[in-house]
Amino acid sequence: DTEVTQTPKHLVMGMTNKKSLKCEQHMGHRAMYWYKQKAKKPPELMFVYSYEKLSINESVPSRFSPECPNSSLLNLHLHALQPEDSALYLCASSQEAERGARERQFFGPGTRLTVL
Amino acid sequence: AQSVTQLGSHVSVSEGALVLLRCNYSSSVPPYLFWYVQYPNQGLQLLLKYTSAATLVKGINGFEAEFKKSETSFHLTKPSAHMSDAAEYFCAVRDSSASKIIFGSGTRLSIRP
Repeated sequence: DTEVTQTPKHLVMGMTNKKSLKCEQHMGHRAMYWYKQKAKKPPELMFVYSYEKLSINESVPSRFSPECPNSSLLNLHLHALQPEDSALYLCASSQEAERGARERQFFGPGTRLTVL
Repeated sequence: AQSVTQLGSHVSVSEGALVLLRCNYSSSVPPYLFWYVQYPNQGLQLLLKYTSAATLVKGINGFEAEFKKSETSFHLTKPSAHMSDAAEYFCAVRDSSASKIIFGSGTRLSIRP
């Protein structure tokens, strides 16, 4: 299984809602990543989890809250988002964080989020 | 700091023509370089990577890239474009923190029939 899955594919939420994005991989990877991608822009790194611990937080606002319940799962909890947070949210994984920076990251298809 | 610059936000070629997408890098450490492709409404897929083993790197779908240290370049080429190659292409470099990669701004490739 060489796949990263993400649910839901699409999400529309209001600014007062609480929702969660989910990411799953069963490749035994120990590093997982959240990226945000606005239209016609490159992905921007948000968070890196290494061995289930948060290792990089790219100064992301607290209305985004990541969680790594186990080595296969990565969640992104959303609360009180703004319309400018509308974007494609991509999850990725790699064997280890440093190896993901010199070997390969596997990307999921993304969740397209719209904040009204 | 590490960075990559992709020249040309949009490239259009005819089907069957040579594809050349340009990428120049800046790195204070031995660079690890990547090309990713993103088809519409999809995630990113690795095309190829350079990790100092060989300067000419072959990837999937007939793409290849050549690492030229003297030019600090890592341009992506394909001899003959296919309609299915239409996508967004991102060049990326390992960050000096060694735990993340930095993407270029992307080049959208269009293929004319």
